[in-house]
Amino acid sequence: EAQVTQNPRYLITVTGKKLTVTCSQNMNHEYMSWYRQDPGLGLRQIYYSMNVEVTDKGDVPEGYKVSRKEKRNFPLILESPSPNQTSLYFCASSLRSASGPIEQYFGPGTRLTVT
Amino acid sequence: AQSVAQPEDQVNVAEGNPLTVKCTYSVSGNPYLFWYVQYPNRGLQFLLKYITGDNLVKGSYGFEAEFNKSQTSFHLKKPSALVSDSALYFCAVRDITGGSYIPTFGRGTSLIVHP
Repeated sequence: EAQVTQNPRYLITVTGKKLTVTCSQNMNHEYMSWYRQDPGLGLRQIYYSMNVEVTDKGDVPEGYKVSRKEKRNFPLILESPSPNQTSLYFCASSLRSASGPIEQYFGPGTRLTVT
Repeated sequence: AQSVAQPEDQVNVAEGNPLTVKCTYSVSGNPYLFWYVQYPNRGLQFLLKYITGDNLVKGSYGFEAEFNKSQTSFHLKKPSALVSDSALYFCAVRDITGGSYIPTFGRGTSLIVHP
């Protein structure tokens, strides 16, 4: 089954404790991205990757890191989480057309709470 | 610059009636337009897209949307609503002429279909 998986689905942590949210897709997509969803703000892109070893900032990259060492995996790293990073996080992947990514396939989400 | 607006936070419709969820956009070049649906505790699912060609695009679950360049709109429609259509709907735009790889999502519209 074609899918995007994320782990963990739920995470409660404390301020400053480094964490990693994993994301993996089995569709051989070049493009992957991370979003956060906050009430009243819709989805905002954190980082994206056009291919292995190619990453770039989205609209809200502060406080986050990513890496793309393999095509299927795109982990999101919070080196020193803060309470304002409490949110619902989604990973997504997409085929890439000549003009960039097209429709995206989303993971189930990771609900992160930072106390 | 690109932006998208979903002017209604919530749309209420009776089962069996037609539904419309509104979306307007702003781009400096040519747009790719998307609709996604999010069911409770799930990730976003792709419904349909406009890239080029016919202004009326058909998607999953009986939904369709009409691209109107003069009104810069991409409203989502369905002839006969089902209770199971109740969900959160997101419109998204990407300005392909401007070379943006980052889509902008609207804030979402909650669709409630009453039995």
